[in-house]
Amino acid sequence: GQQLNQSPQSMFIQEGEDVSMNCTSSSIFNTWLWYKQDPGEGPVLLIALYKAGELTSNGRLTAQFGITRKDSFLNISASIPSDVGIYFCAGQGGSEKLVFGKGTKLTVNP
Amino acid sequence: DAMVIQNPRYQVTQFGKPVTLSCSQTLNHNVMYWYQQKSSQAPKLLFHYYDKDFNNEADTPDNFQSRRPNTSFCFLDIRSPGLGDAAMYLCATSRQVGRGNEQFFGPGTRLTVL
Repeated sequence: GQQLNQSPQSMFIQEGEDVSMNCTSSSIFNTWLWYKQDPGEGPVLLIALYKAGELTSNGRLTAQFGITRKDSFLNISASIPSDVGIYFCAGQGGSEKLVFGKGTKLTVNP
Repeated sequence: DAMVIQNPRYQVTQFGKPVTLSCSQTLNHNVMYWYQQKSSQAPKLLFHYYDKDFNNEADTPDNFQSRRPNTSFCFLDIRSPGLGDAAMYLCATSRQVGRGNEQFFGPGTRLTVL
């Protein structure tokens, strides 16, 4: 089945630093989604990408849909303590199902 | 605000005692999903409803059932919970299926099995 490789698995950064994480797959996806999940809560959609090469921003967040349609990255600029959480990428192929990465756990030290 | 609501947020049950988790949505979306998420793992799809059509994942145990009495509500029934069923259960919705239809998640119900 389709699988996503998300990296890094965890990150420990200082407040104010920029962050980058990515997802890669051997399969082509039509949509890439990035979610953030706080402890004890459900995932919250951050950014949705629909076209190869698309670059989309949401405040300090920027995500790109790779040209090959097999990868995506998420950047967070000037991190703040509330950025702490687990970030999931999710790809959607021809069906309604989402394929999730295993998540990147972000810790921000004030 | 339109949203996905899950009740209760925390549920404790006993081994083997049936339990029902509920989800409601004010988004008027056609598709509702149930996911199981264990600690430090990604959400795992159990099943989904596209309108009234039920779609079960091949590896979802028979112990898990679902009902969707109307557009707004969807229930997850665990007939005989085992210790391994302790997890966060997430409900999600999307307007339609396929490209361009993002899934929106509720806050989840944390299930504890004693």
